[in-house]
Parts: sequence; C-alpha cells; structure tokens
Amino acid sequence: SQQGEEDPQALSIQEGENATMNCSYKTSINNLQWYRQNSGRGLVHLILIRSNEREKHSGRLRVTLDTSKKSSSLLITASRAADTASYFCAASQGGKLIFGQGTELSVKP
Amino acid sequence: NAGVTQTPKFRVLKTGQSMTLLCAQDMNHEYMYWYRQDPGMGLRLIHYSVGEGTTAKGEVPDGYNVSRLKKQNFLLGLESAAPSQTSVYFCASSPDKPTNSYEQYFGPGTRLTVT
Repeated sequence: SQQGEEDPQALSIQEGENATMNCSYKTSINNLQWYRQNSGRGLVHLILIRSNEREKHSGRLRVTLDTSKKSSSLLITASRAADTASYFCAASQGGKLIFGQGTELSVKP
Repeated sequence: NAGVTQTPKFRVLKTGQSMTLLCAQDMNHEYMYWYRQDPGMGLRLIHYSVGEGTTAKGEVPDGYNVSRLKKQNFLLGLESAAPSQTSVYFCASSPDKPTNSYEQYFGPGTRLTVT
C-alpha cells in the first residue's frame, strides 16, 4: 500500500486540552497537507507544510515536519467540542495526494 | 460558487448493475480526482485527471472507468457493480498538482451500496 500511517487511530480528550496527531509517510515529498472530515461530510483542507519548512502555525493549529524521519505532527491547542472530527494527513506525490488512514478525534465538553 | 458537487448522494445497486457518478466543479480547476473511502482505510485514489480529455489510474482502478469530456465534469462509471464496491465515493478538484502546493477541494460524497 502507498498509504502512510497515522497515530493514534482514535483520540479522546476533554475540552481545553491539546490534541496531537502523528503521521508517517513512505516516499520523498514536496509538501504534506492536513485535512479534516466531519462525520458524513467531505474533507476540508486545514494546512500545508512544504518540505523545506519545519514548523507552521495557523490559528490553534501547529504542524511540524521532519523529512529525515518522514513524519509530521498536527497539534490542536485548547481543543473545543467542535473540533470533533477525523483528521487526515496527505503526502504530495506528483499529481496525486497519498492519504493516511486518519485519526478520529473526540473532544468531550 | 457551488464548489464541488456530486450526484447522486445515495444509491443502492444490485450486483451486476451499472451506474455513473457525476462530479461537477465550478472553480475552473484543471485537476480532478475520484476517491473511495472505506472504514479504517482512509481515502484511496481510484482515477484522476490532469485536464480536459485526460485520465490516469490511481491506486485502486480495477472495476471503474472515468471520462473527462468537459473541464468542469468528471464521471466515474461502474460497468458491473460488485459488493466489494460498496463504499463512500468522494470527488475532489484542484487548480494544479499537489507538488505545486495546491490543496484539493472535496465534494460531499456519494454513499453506494451494492447488494
């Protein structure tokens, strides 16, 4: 399979806590993207980090990329119940994105 | 702008029947994609297109065909449906290829059940 791995598969936290999701991929990439999927809906793009970047921030999101380890992490700070969703990393490969299997995040109020 | 739309939203087929899923985008995007999503499997690419009149195979193309006769539409066909094709199908579009740092825009999905 070309897919990457995401860890953990499921994560349950309390509102206000931070959530960290990890992603590993298999090939060299130009960039890595993170997407969110609410239950029963399509995916929505969250943030993109290029291969020459190590860290990027967007609001409560912080993404890191370690190309030597072929891994990335997504941190959501001060989580809210509305952050409950599945989160997917996607590695760019030519004309395609290769998606990980996702982390299911549950934020309890 | 409607973004990316998919027709139909739900469909139930019997084994051996055929159907076509329609994806339409109004953003003038060059790239379009068809994915399937199964529990615990993430998204897997079926076929994609880098422009009008072009198509290419993805990770799981067997049992599917596609056409991109118009830039705004990308059709996914199942000629003889099998229970293994029961899945949620997502269409996506993008202005350019992901290696040029472009994101993909997703439709709402089509839930297909093959009995």
